[in-house]
Amino acid sequence: AQSVAQPEDQVNVAEGNPLTVKCTYSVSGNPYLFWYVQYPNRGLQFLLKYITGDNLVKGSYGFEAEFNKSQTSFHLKKPSALVSDSALYFCAVRDSPNGGKLIFGQGTELSVKP
Amino acid sequence: DSGVTQTPKHLITATGQRVTLRCSPRSGDLSVYWYQQSLDQGLQFLIQYYNGEERAKGNILERFSAQQFPDLHSELNLSSLELGDSALYFCASSPTGQGASAFFGQGTRLTVV
Repeated sequence: AQSVAQPEDQVNVAEGNPLTVKCTYSVSGNPYLFWYVQYPNRGLQFLLKYITGDNLVKGSYGFEAEFNKSQTSFHLKKPSALVSDSALYFCAVRDSPNGGKLIFGQGTELSVKP
Repeated sequence: DSGVTQTPKHLITATGQRVTLRCSPRSGDLSVYWYQQSLDQGLQFLIQYYNGEERAKGNILERFSAQQFPDLHSELNLSSLELGDSALYFCASSPTGQGASAFFGQGTRLTVV
């Protein structure tokens, strides 16, 4: 069965510093990986996805993610964090290529302090 | 704005009651997914519909049911409500195609008292 894991419940970063939110995956076949962000009392917003191709994926709001097949990881990164990036981040994997449900990690709370 | 609309935004109801949550997917999206988000369980997949047909079922209780109508909107029915059903319920829609992204509505916050 497909699954993702987010090993950190919380990540604390100072504004202006780089940030990384970790995600590892376990899939059979090719992985279809996603990152979503959830602000308080809001729905999930799509950030970026990896389907195939370049291992570095660029997304919304300056975020990017690095797909690493050998380490089965898909970490979310940003070179310079903003206080407004503080939110709950979810990694997800499609359980089948064509329209299968998304399976989510437990989420990582990112806190960026001024 | 994701293009997915959920109503109502908030719902407060008593134990034992029945409620219906509604979702309008993005224009053209044939797949609709329902998720439950609670503090202790995270984001749990409930059920998926594709063009009116049930496609996948997750950990959905027998007290819960859903359907997708010919105009592609979907409804999630929750009955015999218990305190533990209090949660955020999200609907998402997705187009057909490998690796297509899913887009989420703002959710319905259900409080059972």
